[in-house]
Amino acid sequence: DSGVTQTPKHLITATGQRVTLRCSPRSGDLSVYWYQQSLDQGLQFLIQYYNGEERAKGNILERFSAQQFPDLHSELNLSSLELGDSALYFCASSPDPGLGADTQYFGPGTRLTVL
Amino acid sequence: GQNIDQPTEMTATEGAIVQINCTYQTSGFNGLFWYQQHAGEAPTFLSYNVLDGLEEKGRFSSFLSRSKGYSYLLLKELQMKDSASYLCAVKDSNYQLIWGAGTKLIIKP
Repeated sequence: DSGVTQTPKHLITATGQRVTLRCSPRSGDLSVYWYQQSLDQGLQFLIQYYNGEERAKGNILERFSAQQFPDLHSELNLSSLELGDSALYFCASSPDPGLGADTQYFGPGTRLTVL
Repeated sequence: GQNIDQPTEMTATEGAIVQINCTYQTSGFNGLFWYQQHAGEAPTFLSYNVLDGLEEKGRFSSFLSRSKGYSYLLLKELQMKDSASYLCAVKDSNYQLIWGAGTKLIIKP
């Protein structure tokens, strides 16, 4: 158990809908990262937050948005869902992203299925 | 551009040794990470190298050569539970992690 929690574990929805995925980082970690992993594909970095502020952006679609709240939990919002958005969505957290040895620890993921 | 190369798939025999290579070209270098990921599960941290040389952790070892832009993960006394994907990731000059596509390791009895 990494200490990172994600809800829900599974989500099934229809095309065109909107969903929200939630992540709580490990105690003491200030940075949160979101990743998308489609079936048999590599990890695609979406976005990073540090202490409530956006820190870095990856290949995140305009239909997707995220935020980190004052209690450091984060939410990833996916809208106008398409079949291709079906994937595992991972959240990771780390204490201090400005250090080389800073290590990301991953939550169990949310499996999103768009029908 | 930034690039991390790993073999897509490798096969090895239970009880044997396997070496998974990773080569990288990144803008700057602040360390290299190896993660293990079982199918459908989260990646878990295995090792971090920032200086040249070999780091040993039980059955797993990780090697780094910064001048060659090269690392390998060495797995000894392979067990069936080692069947997984192994992800190489490099932290660049902006402290962003650049991920390889992963190497799927298949262990045969």
